[in-house]
Amino acid sequence: DTGVSQDPRHKITKRGQNVTFRCDPISEHNRLYWYRQTLGQGPEFLTYFQNEAQLEKSRLLSDRFSAERPKGSFSTLEIQRTEQGDSAMYLCASSPMGVAGDLGELFFGEGSRLTVL
Amino acid sequence: AQKITQTQPGMFVQEKEAVTLDCTYDTSDPSYGLFWYKQPSSGEMIFLIYQGSYDQQNATEGRYSLNFQKARKSANLVISASQLGDSAMYFCAMRDSGGGFKTIFGAGTRLFVKA
Repeated sequence: DTGVSQDPRHKITKRGQNVTFRCDPISEHNRLYWYRQTLGQGPEFLTYFQNEAQLEKSRLLSDRFSAERPKGSFSTLEIQRTEQGDSAMYLCASSPMGVAGDLGELFFGEGSRLTVL
Repeated sequence: AQKITQTQPGMFVQEKEAVTLDCTYDTSDPSYGLFWYKQPSSGEMIFLIYQGSYDQQNATEGRYSLNFQKARKSANLVISASQLGDSAMYFCAMRDSGGGFKTIFGAGTRLFVKA
């Protein structure tokens, strides 16, 4: 199965440390999204890419957050100088675009859970 | 501005009965798509059903149907013949061109199916 995969699934870190998450989308999908989800809430949009271009960033994405998709395939989300408020599930999703019959639904990975101590 | 509102934090339904989960949305874009996703306790988001703003008929997908009332800007999910495995969080979501084609989500409704 070639669904969306995320790594690591769980990360525990101390405040002030940097963390990086990786997302491998479905191979033929050109759009890739990052969301953040806290307990009991809906996913909050962070950023998305079309191929290698980062098209939009949420105001939620402070300058401590950076995302890349260098070759239009996998993506990384880095959080620098982590804070306890960064503790959340970070979800990656991918979607095809411009494909006949494409509804625009998102295909999600299982998420990367971050705990900042 | 785009907005999705789900006003039911939690819902209970008896097994084999139908349940409606509410969703209202706000957009100024005439072209948009509405989605429902299910998130079981395992955490993975699963796409359930889609309704386009220009679709004339309500979407159906197996036991799921979407009660789309465009003038009221509502897109309620109806689950028929509830099963224990339907217990999960359900999220309403919207994508429109005014929002740059990103998808935004509501806060969700937790559904509990009782045996």
